[in-house]
Amino acid sequence: ILNVEQSPQSLHVQEGDSTNFTCSFPSSNFYALHWYRWETAKSPEALFVMTLNGDEKKKGRISATLNTKEGYSYLYIKGSQPEDSATYLCALQTSGSRLTFGEGTQLTVNP
Amino acid sequence: SAVISQKPSRDICQRGTSLTIQCQVDSQVTMMFWYRQQPGQSLTLIATANQGSEATYESGFVIDKFPISRPNLTFSTLTVSNMSPEDSSIYLCSVGRGSGQPQHFGDGTRLSIL
Repeated sequence: ILNVEQSPQSLHVQEGDSTNFTCSFPSSNFYALHWYRWETAKSPEALFVMTLNGDEKKKGRISATLNTKEGYSYLYIKGSQPEDSATYLCALQTSGSRLTFGEGTQLTVNP
Repeated sequence: SAVISQKPSRDICQRGTSLTIQCQVDSQVTMMFWYRQQPGQSLTLIATANQGSEATYESGFVIDKFPISRPNLTFSTLTVSNMSPEDSSIYLCSVGRGSGQPQHFGDGTRLSIL
C-alpha cells in the first residue's frame, strides 16, 4: 500500500498571505505526481502533473516543485485570495494511470 | 478536456437497497475510473472500468458489492449494492487519456445511507 501524506491537514490564512503545502510519497516506482484543487460541490480540477526530478510548474499565482529523490512536492500560493479556498490534493502515479491520493490540505482564505 | 456528466448528484437511500451511478463522457476515452471518498478519508480508487471486459478492482473492493458496467467508450455505471451506513461517501468517476496526463472528474455523487 502506497503512503501519500499531505501536510498540514488544514490551514487558515488571511487574504494576501502566501502559503505552501507539502506532499510526501515513496520515491520508488515513481512515474508522476499530480496536484488537484477540489472546491466544495464541484469536481476536482487538475492543476499540475509533474514527472521529472526538479520540475517546477506555474499557473497564475500557484506553483509547484518536485523532488523525486527525496519523495516530496511543494505547492505554493502567492497572495492568497478567498477564491483559493479549497482542498488541495496530491496524487502519486506509479504505473498505468492508477492514482494514489493523499488526504488533502484544506485551505481557507479569510477576507 | 472532457466534459463528464455524473448522476445522480446526491441521494439518500435506505440500508439494504442498491443505487446505480451513471457517468457519461462527451468523447471517447480509453480509461475510466471510479473513486470513493468516505468522510475524513482520502480519495480512494475502487476500480478501473474496462470497455468490453470485467472491471479491475483494487484491494478491498469486490464485484459483488460494486458491480461496474462499461458498454462503450463514453459511458460507465457503478452500482453500490446492499448499502449500509458505511457506504455513505462521495463517489466520483474520472477519465484519463494516458500516463502522465491529468485525470478529469465528474461532479460526484453524494450518497447518504439511513
